Amino acid sequence: QPVLTQPPSVSAAPGQKVTLSCSGSSSNIGRNALSWYQHLPGAAPKLIIFDNTERPSGIPDRFSGSKSATSATLGITGLQTGDEADYYCGAWDSSLNAFVFGSGTKVTVL
Amino acid sequence: QVELVESGGDVVQPGRSLRLSCTGSGFTFSDFAIHWVRQAPGKGLEWVAFISYAGGIQYYADSVKGRFLISRDKSKNTVYLQMNSLRPEDTGVYSCARDPRFAGPGYLLQWGQGTLVTVSS
Repeated sequence: QPVLTQPPSVSAAPGQKVTLSCSGSSSNIGRNALSWYQHLPGAAPKLIIFDNTERPSGIPDRFSGSKSATSATLGITGLQTGDEADYYCGAWDSSLNAFVFGSGTKVTVL
Repeated sequence: QVELVESGGDVVQPGRSLRLSCTGSGFTFSDFAIHWVRQAPGKGLEWVAFISYAGGIQYYADSVKGRFLISRDKSKNTVYLQMNSLRPEDTGVYSCARDPRFAGPGYLLQWGQGTLVTVSS
């Protein structure tokens, strides 16, 4: 069972905004930086947010991250068909000495 | 071109061994820690192992501890994952990813395409 909790799916129409949640504990999100990964079918996963809120170069500002205590959120505005993918949150867990992922959220553009 | 390329995936019987390789190019490989992550068919991402940039620190998921060994060869810009006593539940696509943190595991900056491991009799 994944250590971080994510909703299985979210959906919205093109141009709309979606918010993905990620819930953990004091040993992972509460203590260490959170990152988000986009996994398109047939492609390698891609880092889209690191250190809770930072975007790597090349990632549009339609993607944003936030963190509060033991939870985090990924926001995607101006939803596009190309955003259809599985999104995973991840963080180092200092108690397990392991990197933990969420179960993933499938984003569907209606 | 900055890339990570995995190799070594194969079909093997339960109980057998396999060694995966992750080779980096286009960047200073020794400046990065490396993670291995796997994805079983129809499942989500599962972290497997980590090795620090200098190779002195390794961490493993409980599911592979004692069976898998991660190592790196600086001269070949390669990280290896030696997988022993393989089980059917080890089946999946194995990807490596580089981590830029010097002070310990941080985040997975760039991933390879992965290599498929199938454990079946």
